Amino acid sequence: EAGVAQSPRYKIIEKRQSVAFWCNPISGHATLYWYQQILGQGPKLLIQFQNNGVVDDSQLPKDRFSAERLKGVDSTLKIQPAKLEDSAVYLCASSPGPGWNTEAFFGQGTRLTVV
Amino acid sequence: AQSVSQHNHHVILSEAASLELGCNYSYGGTVNLFWYVQYPGQHLQLLLKYFSGDPLVKGIKGFEAEFIKSKFSFNLRKPSVQWSDTAEYFCAVRGANNLFFGTGTRLTVIP
Repeated sequence: EAGVAQSPRYKIIEKRQSVAFWCNPISGHATLYWYQQILGQGPKLLIQFQNNGVVDDSQLPKDRFSAERLKGVDSTLKIQPAKLEDSAVYLCASSPGPGWNTEAFFGQGTRLTVV
Repeated sequence: AQSVSQHNHHVILSEAASLELGCNYSYGGTVNLFWYVQYPGQHLQLLLKYFSGDPLVKGIKGFEAEFIKSKFSFNLRKPSVQWSDTAEYFCAVRGANNLFFGTGTRLTVIP
């Protein structure tokens, strides 16, 4: 079974530039998560989708971050403009069904460095 | 609000020593509980999970965890660690719909 695919693996940008990350969840998984993992910390939930609808985006800095999940499959996360403190690994995860009583499967992540 | 606490930031053990990593959560309702592991350079992988039933759950690679509802705890244990267990360990809790992670515990096993 193919896992959660993310691209790119690494990205270096200057502050105030914009960047986009892509995630392809496991086939058939209805729930998709984006997490931000800053070095030395645990993953922090940014946004959770159920199919193509947003379940929770309370931790998403909406002045600069946006995410979409068109057609309930792939998802993109965008940062515009980036700040130095956005340097982190951005993790995408998916789980079958609505999430409850299921595990989340994680991708390799995209390591973003903002200089 | 939901939160997860992992009290041990960095644990260093010799091979064959026993391991116990603490995890406490705050959430008043029914929860799903997880331990994930992240080996160096790899993605997060599930070690074990608790949804319901027997509070003592067994996972991969000889790990187990016990859910103690009265203490809001889900501690991870392994009777004898190996060098290959060197990794970062994350406790995660799902209450309602959201999946929250602790700050992680780095385990270093010395051969």
